[in-house]
Amino acid sequence: DAGVTQSPTHLIKTRGQQVTLRCSPKSGHDTVSWYQQALGQGPQFIFQYYEEEERQRGNFPDRFSGHQFPNYSSELNVNALLLGDSALYLCASSIAGGPYNEQFFGPGTRLTVL
Amino acid sequence: AQSVTQPDIHITVSEGASLELRCNYSYGATPYLFWYVQSPGQGLQLLLKYFSGDTLVQGIKGFEAEFKRSQSSFNLRKPSVHWSDAAEYFCAVGAREYGNKLVFGAGTILRVKS
Repeated sequence: DAGVTQSPTHLIKTRGQQVTLRCSPKSGHDTVSWYQQALGQGPQFIFQYYEEEERQRGNFPDRFSGHQFPNYSSELNVNALLLGDSALYLCASSIAGGPYNEQFFGPGTRLTVL
Repeated sequence: AQSVTQPDIHITVSEGASLELRCNYSYGATPYLFWYVQSPGQGLQLLLKYFSGDTLVQGIKGFEAEFKRSQSSFNLRKPSVHWSDAAEYFCAVGAREYGNKLVFGAGTILRVKS
């Protein structure tokens, strides 16, 4: 089992551009959550996908959007990039049902916005 | 709303010494509490979790944590630290009504002196 995988590992974009990050969940998991981890901070919840729908959303603007595919993989899209979007983006997968189901995290995608 | 405070940004301990990392949470009902560890270039790995029952929970790698409701704390401890424990540690809180969303503290960086 490869666990949670994310691509790409690193990404450099310029302000105003758009970016797509990808996540494949751990085998058997049906729920994907995305977190943003700015330098020196803890991860912040962006949103969660289950059954191809956004189920929960954190305090992030509409520039952040996502998608979940029938195979449970997920994408995070960020439009009109700002310098402040530079961060490590973490994907976590779990089985639906609540926080007592362990979330497994991927290694993250490091996004740098210039 | 849930919140998590980790008062110590950095902690340095000698190898073989004991360790305690502090975590305070804010949440009205009984929270779900977690400790994660993050090594450079890696995702988050779950060390232990508390949902209910015995307030002293055992985790992986020799770590334990104690839930103290009266102090709203969930401190992480290890009796004897190894050099490989050097990493960043995050406390997180979840709740049933928030689904799979976790709220993380800002983290504590542990340095181990040989």
